[in-house]
Amino acid sequence: DSGVTQTPKHLITATGQRVTLRCSPRSGDLSVYWYQQSLDQGLQFLIQYYNGEERAKGNILERFSAQQFPDLHSELNLSSLELGDSALYFCASSPIRTGATQYFGPGTRLTVL
Amino acid sequence: GESVGLHLPTLSVQEGDNSIINCAYSNSASDYFIWYKQESGKGPQFIIDIRSNMDKRQGQRVTVLLNKTVKHLSLQIAATQPGDSAVYFCAENGPNTGNQFYFGTGTSLTVIP
Repeated sequence: DSGVTQTPKHLITATGQRVTLRCSPRSGDLSVYWYQQSLDQGLQFLIQYYNGEERAKGNILERFSAQQFPDLHSELNLSSLELGDSALYFCASSPIRTGATQYFGPGTRLTVL
Repeated sequence: GESVGLHLPTLSVQEGDNSIINCAYSNSASDYFIWYKQESGKGPQFIIDIRSNMDKRQGQRVTVLLNKTVKHLSLQIAATQPGDSAVYFCAENGPNTGNQFYFGTGTSLTVIP
């Protein structure tokens, strides 16, 4: 158990819908990262937050957004969902901004029908 | 962008044998590397890390070797066990990238009993 929690574990929805994925980092970790992992694909970095502020952006679509709240939990919002958005979404956390090991949560499996 | 690749997408080994998983990276400025293990349906799990000021680091049954000259990273697993069957990812982090890691597509290790 990494100490990172993610909810829900599974999510099934329809095209055009909007969903919110939630992540709670390890106790004391200030940085949260979101990744997308599609079938047979590696981990694609989406976005990083540090202590409530956006720090880095990767391959995140404009239909996707995220935020980190004062209690340090984070939410990833996915809107206007398409079939291709079906994937595993992982959250990771680390204590500092740079050069630190990232610990991953168990992921949320999103299925768009 | 960064390029982190794996030499072999799949690897099968006999139980009890040693496993070697390789990884090439492209950014000579990368200074921190992590190996993750991902079992089916789970999030990536930290195995071992190494910084660029080291050539070798050992953990419990695992050793990571870093060859900066040829930008190559390897993970050695001693006395491979069925529980080691998983996908293994290497990830690199370079200076001025925040804490953004770049992941390879992974090597699938199958341990044959």
